[in-house]
Amino acid sequence: DVKVTQSSRYLVKRTGEKVFLECVQDMDHENMFWYRQDPGLGLRLIYFSYDVKMKEKGDIPEGYSVSREKKERFSLILESASTNQTSMYLCASSPPQRGRQYFGPGTRLTVT
Amino acid sequence: RKEVEQDPGPFNVPEGATVAFNCTYSNSASQSFFWYRQDCRKEPKLLMSVYSSGNEDGRFTAQLNRASQYISLLIRDSKLSDSATYLCAVLFSGGYNKLIFGAGTRLAVHP
Repeated sequence: DVKVTQSSRYLVKRTGEKVFLECVQDMDHENMFWYRQDPGLGLRLIYFSYDVKMKEKGDIPEGYSVSREKKERFSLILESASTNQTSMYLCASSPPQRGRQYFGPGTRLTVT
Repeated sequence: RKEVEQDPGPFNVPEGATVAFNCTYSNSASQSFFWYRQDCRKEPKLLMSVYSSGNEDGRFTAQLNRASQYISLLIRDSKLSDSATYLCAVLFSGGYNKLIFGAGTRLAVHP
């Protein structure tokens, strides 16, 4: 079974803090994704990566950056957390060209 | 117009009912389609892929209508445990294949 893990299930941070969200997958997938999910807005793509050290902006990259130093790990960074970044963050991975994505359990981030 | 649209619901149905959801998409070149199920405060999990010929998995049937650009999910004999949010996802081809999700349709099955 594909396993995607995320470093924290719940996180509370203060405005202005730098926040790191880690995601690890164990299926040797090339593709990895970061989404945020908010009520009524669905899943919105923040960043994605199709290879090590490669990244592409999604639909809402502002205020975020990512790092992919190893194939299995994809990190999302909030450079200076703001209250409007309070959300559920979901990481996903997929094999190339297959479409189907496997999700991690999510991190519910609250910025106060 | 959103790239992928769903009726948010909620659909409130009694146990044993048959319920159907639709999902419309804007890109006629879309290649692959999926239905995901998401329980409250959990991650989305793949329910089924949607093939051109339609496919069935037990009480669940998924269909694709390319001419009208929508996919559907039919649930027969609804169970309490079917209560969840159902997300459709459409693979848009481009420089990189991109999976676009609908915002989800909430289903509540009551006794």
